Amino acid sequence: EAQVTQNPRYLITVTGKKLTVTCSQNMNHEYMSWYRQDPGLGLRQIYYSMNVEVTDKGDVPEGYKVSRKEKRNFPLILESPSPNQTSLYFCASSLGAGDNTQYFGPGTRLTVL
Amino acid sequence: GENVEQHPSTLSVQEGDSAVIKCTYSDSASNYFPWYKQELGKRPQLIIDIRSNVGEKKDQRIAVTLNKTAKHFSLHITETQPEDSAVYFCAALSLYGQNFVFGPGTRLSVLP
Repeated sequence: EAQVTQNPRYLITVTGKKLTVTCSQNMNHEYMSWYRQDPGLGLRQIYYSMNVEVTDKGDVPEGYKVSRKEKRNFPLILESPSPNQTSLYFCASSLGAGDNTQYFGPGTRLTVL
Repeated sequence: GENVEQHPSTLSVQEGDSAVIKCTYSDSASNYFPWYKQELGKRPQLIIDIRSNVGEKKDQRIAVTLNKTAKHFSLHITETQPEDSAVYFCAALSLYGQNFVFGPGTRLSVLP
């Protein structure tokens, strides 16, 4: 089944404790992206990647890191989480090469205390 | 950078009526405009999209129109049903980048 998966789905952590949210897709998509969703603000893009080893900042990259070592995986890293990073996070992927249809993962609800 | 505004923020309609949600964008280089539906507790799902070389696109009860000159695009849902109740997001993608910018969303309620 073609899908985008994220882990964990729920995470409660404390300020400053490094964490990684994984994202994987099995559709051989070139483009992958991370968003955070906050009430009243819609989805805001954090980072995106157009292919392996190619990443770029979205609108709200501060406090986040990403890597794209393999085509299927695009982990989101919070090296020192803070309470203002409490949010709902979505990973998404699309084929690229002119096909911009994005498929979203199920979401990760992160709470930073 | 791109800025996408979306109106209204909430919309209530009677079942069977039409609903229209409008988005405006600022970057004339944007050339791809998708609409997503997000039900409570679920992930966003693409319902329709349009490219800048097309003025209108329709899929059953859903249509999207694009006015490049005025830099706005609209979602039209006809014969609304209770299952259309959800939050709808518009987005824009620039020709020169791959940075998606979303509107803040519209909560649509279809009243039986």
